[in-house]
Amino acid sequence: RKEVEQDPGPFNVPEGATVAFNCTYSNSASQSFFWYRQDCRKEPKLLMSVYSSGNEDGRFTAQLNRASQYISLLIRDSKLSDSATYLCVVTPYNNNDMRFGAGTRLTVKP
Amino acid sequence: NAGVTQTPKFRVLKTGQSMTLLCAQDMNHEYMYWYRQDPGMGLRLIHYSVGEGTTAKGEVPDGYNVSRLKKQNFLLGLESAAPSQTSVYFCASSSPGTVYGYTFGSGTRLTVV
Repeated sequence: RKEVEQDPGPFNVPEGATVAFNCTYSNSASQSFFWYRQDCRKEPKLLMSVYSSGNEDGRFTAQLNRASQYISLLIRDSKLSDSATYLCVVTPYNNNDMRFGAGTRLTVKP
Repeated sequence: NAGVTQTPKFRVLKTGQSMTLLCAQDMNHEYMYWYRQDPGMGLRLIHYSVGEGTTAKGEVPDGYNVSRLKKQNFLLGLESAAPSQTSVYFCASSSPGTVYGYTFGSGTRLTVV
């Protein structure tokens, strides 16, 4: 079993739709959680950290469920520019050993 | 405002050849990392460094060596390239703790034929 698992997608949604991604992790001792965004043939970039209480940044909402060991990302009012691959990231042992999921691909269509 | 710079951006090697990938950061970060990214696999950590002169193995270190002689530079070496090392390589850096995540370079696309 992979340490971090994501549905690879692709998710194809129309502009304005709400879309949610889930990610599960296997190590219950995981300390920190993040969502990264990666555009085609580009480097990953930090989208947002995920806090236990849940957090929101504009149209993006991240949730953490430690009991069930999953994190989620909700995107509201999808834009064409949201088309990318979204990577789930956890740190299992220390803050300098980040483990990446394989990513979920999102395509937002006009 | 360069951030993390990787050179070269593209390279084609023949099996058995050697090469060095260079990563340079100008953010005074203590920690640096080398990852490889393969389709369907996600990013996997090859080696990392928590400071000048120190390196450690990551998840997939075999066939690679690294050096961190200067704080701002982290070199990844392939001693004898194999087709299985065809991948996209990303360098990243961070400050102690990862509250702010990692900053990645733009990647090196390596093909071994």
